[in-house]
Amino acid sequence: LAKTTQPISMDSYEGQEVNITCSHNNIATNDYITWYQQFPSQGPRFIIQGYKTKVTNEVASLFIPADRKSSTLSLPRVSLSDTAVYYCLVGFTGGGNKLTFGTGTQLKVEL
Amino acid sequence: NAGVTQTPKFQVLKTGQSMTLQCAQDMNHEYMSWYRQDPGMGLRLIHYSVGAGITDQGEVPNGYNVSRSTTEDFPLRLLSAAPSQTSVYFCASSYDGLGVTDTQYFGPGTRLTVL
Repeated sequence: LAKTTQPISMDSYEGQEVNITCSHNNIATNDYITWYQQFPSQGPRFIIQGYKTKVTNEVASLFIPADRKSSTLSLPRVSLSDTAVYYCLVGFTGGGNKLTFGTGTQLKVEL
Repeated sequence: NAGVTQTPKFQVLKTGQSMTLQCAQDMNHEYMSWYRQDPGMGLRLIHYSVGAGITDQGEVPNGYNVSRSTTEDFPLRLLSAAPSQTSVYFCASSYDGLGVTDTQYFGPGTRLTVL
């Protein structure tokens, strides 16, 4: 069971780059790493997914070191609207009852 | 596309009552899941389905039943509501995975209070 550990909260200012690290020491060979974003009173929304090295899309980058025991979500130039809870999810198709979102990281962006 | 829809948005039950939370998706996704989220907590998987006619238990299945008679619908039944089931319930669907190797789409949630 791949348990994840994230910081409970982070604070930032508009325009800064934010890096949120997730620890997953017992990640399995088949596991992928996925990050979701959740605003209050809404369901989570997919941000990015990766297996190794670096993945980049229009909203974020995901850095995964060679040992895959951790991953870092990077949000470039955050704005107030990026204030949300960010979840790191580790698992694989068919993992079923082994999937868990953890408690997430509350990111607060201020002016 | 409406995506993933859930009804009702809010519900108050008395202890011992039963009810069904509805979930539907119009994206022809095979995988559907139910999660609960308690205040200040992450999401916990209740039940999931990998296709019509196939369901399995997640992390916290006790007190809930599911069935999947069609690809589109995945209702969650509370058999005998208890205050411990007060939570926000999210339904999700994805094309070929449980949101790990494929994007998982979430509904708006149902806020349930059990008195």
